[in-house]
Amino acid sequence: EADIYQTPRYLVIGTGKKITLECSQTMGHDKMYWYQQDPGMELHLIHYSYGVNSTEKGDLSSESTVSRIRTEHFPLTLESARPSHTSQYLCASSVGGATNEKLFFGSGTQLSVL
Amino acid sequence: AQTVTQSQPEMSVQEAETVTLSCTYDTSESDYYLFWYKQPPSRQMILVIRQEAYKQQNATENRFSVNFQKAAKSFSLKISDSQLGDAAMYFCAYIGVVDDMRFGAGTRLTVKP
Repeated sequence: EADIYQTPRYLVIGTGKKITLECSQTMGHDKMYWYQQDPGMELHLIHYSYGVNSTEKGDLSSESTVSRIRTEHFPLTLESARPSHTSQYLCASSVGGATNEKLFFGSGTQLSVL
Repeated sequence: AQTVTQSQPEMSVQEAETVTLSCTYDTSESDYYLFWYKQPPSRQMILVIRQEAYKQQNATENRFSVNFQKAAKSFSLKISDSQLGDAAMYFCAYIGVVDDMRFGAGTRLTVKP
């Protein structure tokens, strides 16, 4: 079992609200990722981190921001949510340092912006 | 940029039969890893199998095996003795020296009883 947790599991909010999606892992992994996935579609990398104080943007342009103050915590924030942000957000982690690492995924946060 | 292509949006298999899911990828790197992930309706992503590019031997995990053709940049997944619990979205993924993972669009597998 992967020890990576995402909260909330489901979130419905109104346009313009600021939200933070939480992601925590207890495995001591250096690398963490945020993916965005529309139903039945491929995953798009939106942010990743190689470790504390390291954050990078992924392939998909995103209006979200991330922070990595602690190894175990990689929250994603939307300052002003819009209906176009409606999607599933998946957090993942890996040990890092080599290319043979598998990703551990959280259960995801399904975000709906009205 | 590395890309991963899954040309089969949907596949169907009879229970206990064998099905093969296709995946091709594009890369200029020689050292990389390939993965198949399963995403059941619960949406939790689960690693099914992985393959190191430098290994010629195809990876196997119980009923799951791959056909890795490095020259052709092909990485198909074979599921033998299909079970109802195998029904899910299957994603092919690639990770190279750049260290960020790329996913295909996914193949939805239906298992018929």
